[in-house]
Amino acid sequence: QQQVKQSPQSLIVQKGGISIINCAYENTAFDYFPWYQQFPGKGPALLIAIRPDVSEKKEGRFTISFNKSAKQFSLHIMDSQPGDSATYFCAASTGANNLFFGTGTRLTVIP
Amino acid sequence: KAGVTQTPRYLIKTRGQQVTLSCSPISGHRSVSWYQQTPGQGLQFLFEYFSETQRNKGNFPGRFSGRQFSNSRSEMNVSTLELGDSALYLCASSLGHLKNTEAFFGQGTRLTVV
Repeated sequence: QQQVKQSPQSLIVQKGGISIINCAYENTAFDYFPWYQQFPGKGPALLIAIRPDVSEKKEGRFTISFNKSAKQFSLHIMDSQPGDSATYFCAASTGANNLFFGTGTRLTVIP
Repeated sequence: KAGVTQTPRYLIKTRGQQVTLSCSPISGHRSVSWYQQTPGQGLQFLFEYFSETQRNKGNFPGRFSGRQFSNSRSEMNVSTLELGDSALYLCASSLGHLKNTEAFFGQGTRLTVV
């Protein structure tokens, strides 16, 4: 059973546009929600993370929105650039260091 | 500061053989977690080690095992390899506090079982 559901599977955005990736979870014990970016041949790189006591966190062009009551969180990439083309994974964990990952979103930013 | 180092980067093994993968965490990090990444199943947690003790374990058969040394370096072993074990094996290191700390991944070891 997939503990974290991620959508869409793939996303094509024009340069300068906004990329939005959504995730949903069921386990209310999750208290840490990171996003990772992975380029081909590389390991996932931590992009940004949020805890359930805040509804939004912004770092540069990347923003996480968190809706605790709906058990959903999303990643917004503003002013998307071709260099942002990668696979993005949301994840969640319960306080230990084992992460439950979403299935990934392959983002393509068209110049 | 050096990142997480995994060796080797690539491995080709035959069914039935065993394999050992190595991970050196970021200096000062005491927790090492292992993940398996495949196109079909995505990223799945294998196990976590902290202070030489397995602290958490995912839903994988006993053929998958690991250990951690006193310098926090970790190894994982897969015995009696099956074709389905072909995957990218990723190691992540973190400070290790129980109240989540950031996990940083290595580049992975690409294992191919033929």
